Order: sequence, then C-alpha cells, then structure tokens
Amino acid sequence: DAKTTQPNSMESNEEEPVHLPCNHSTISGTDYIHWYRQLPSQGPEYVIHGLTSNVNNRMASLAIAEDRKSSTLILHRATLRDAAVYYCILRDPFGGANSKLTFGKGITLSVRP
Amino acid sequence: ETGVTQSPTHLIKTRGQQVTLRCSSQSGHNTVSWYQQALGQGPQFIFQYYREEENGRGNFPPRFSGLQFPNYSSELNVNALELDDSALYLCASSTLAGRNTFGSGTRLTVV
Repeated sequence: DAKTTQPNSMESNEEEPVHLPCNHSTISGTDYIHWYRQLPSQGPEYVIHGLTSNVNNRMASLAIAEDRKSSTLILHRATLRDAAVYYCILRDPFGGANSKLTFGKGITLSVRP
Repeated sequence: ETGVTQSPTHLIKTRGQQVTLRCSSQSGHNTVSWYQQALGQGPQFIFQYYREEENGRGNFPPRFSGLQFPNYSSELNVNALELDDSALYLCASSTLAGRNTFGSGTRLTVV
C-alpha cells in the first residue's frame, strides 16, 4: 500500500483557515487522495477526495501538488466542531480489495476558541 | 437516506468467549468493510464483503470471520476472544469503489 505521512498534531484558532499537509511520495497513477475525519466517539467521516485537480466542496478544499507527491486539506474557517483526527489516505478504486482504506495515525486538529 | 447502524454500541466479554457484531448498511450500498481501531490508532482493515462474498482480507487471524446477507447487512464474528481484541469495531458501507459511510462503531472490551 502506498503510504502517507502527516504531522501528529496541529492547532488553529476558531474562524481562521487551517491547512493540513500530507506527503505521499510513492503515490501511483491510479491512486486517488482521500481525506476522512473522525470526531470524538464517532466513526470516520468522508471529507473530500481528488486525483489531480484541486477540489472544493461544502466542507473543505483539497489542493494537490502538480507532481501529486503531496496535498493539503484546507478548512476555510475552522469551527470548534472541526476538532478531530484527519486522515489522508491513498485509494485505488480499481484495485479490488485494494479499494480498502489504509489509515495511518492521522493528524489531530485542535481548535482554540 | 439511512446511514450505517451498528449494534450493540458497547459490549463486555470474557477472554475465550465468542462475539457477534452487527451492521446495517446504507441504502443503495452493496459493499461492507470492517475495521478494528485500537485506542490512539487509526482503523485497521479486517475484511470486506461485496455481494455476500469476501472480497479481501487484512492481516487478521481466521478467528475473525464475517457474513454478508442478501439485504447487504453484515456480521463480524470473533472466536476465542483475547485481551488484545479490545477495540472499537467499525463498519463501513459503500458501493464497490465509492466513498465509505461509517457507523459509530461497537466498543468491545475483553476482560
């Protein structure tokens, strides 16, 4: 499985933008970059995914480097509810059982009021 | 649309016992995956079921087994429970290559 590397933790202030980095230098051509987050006492929740181009949805934006070896999840205005563990995951949707999600430890985001 | 429901939410078992955890998948999803999450760690893939057949397995021993039913709900069975099996067990449903929707998990404690 292609691996991702994330910092262990990050702090932000409420209502400020947050940039969560992820490195994936061994990404293959068919790997999509997925982000999930896990709020306390809940299962992981899908946030966003992309292949090559930057992506936006109502939750966040995903900026993907031109060489695809890194990406950044952007929360435009952090709220207290965004405090969670954020997982960056590479997933090959055509890989059969390889379409499973391989989670690392993720990055723990704390949001200060 | 209904989400993913897991039962029970909490469970305490004794070492050596057997346990069955249940998951109802989201409407329209035909794939169910199970994950084990130890405290402070990310979820680890146990196995996946697609249309009632096992479609891939992680690094878990055979005493971890599963079933998927015609309505795409699923069970995870663990035999001969060990203390290290204490964890949060997560079920996720999806279409085969689609985004996963997770349940809130079953917290299993083995004493």
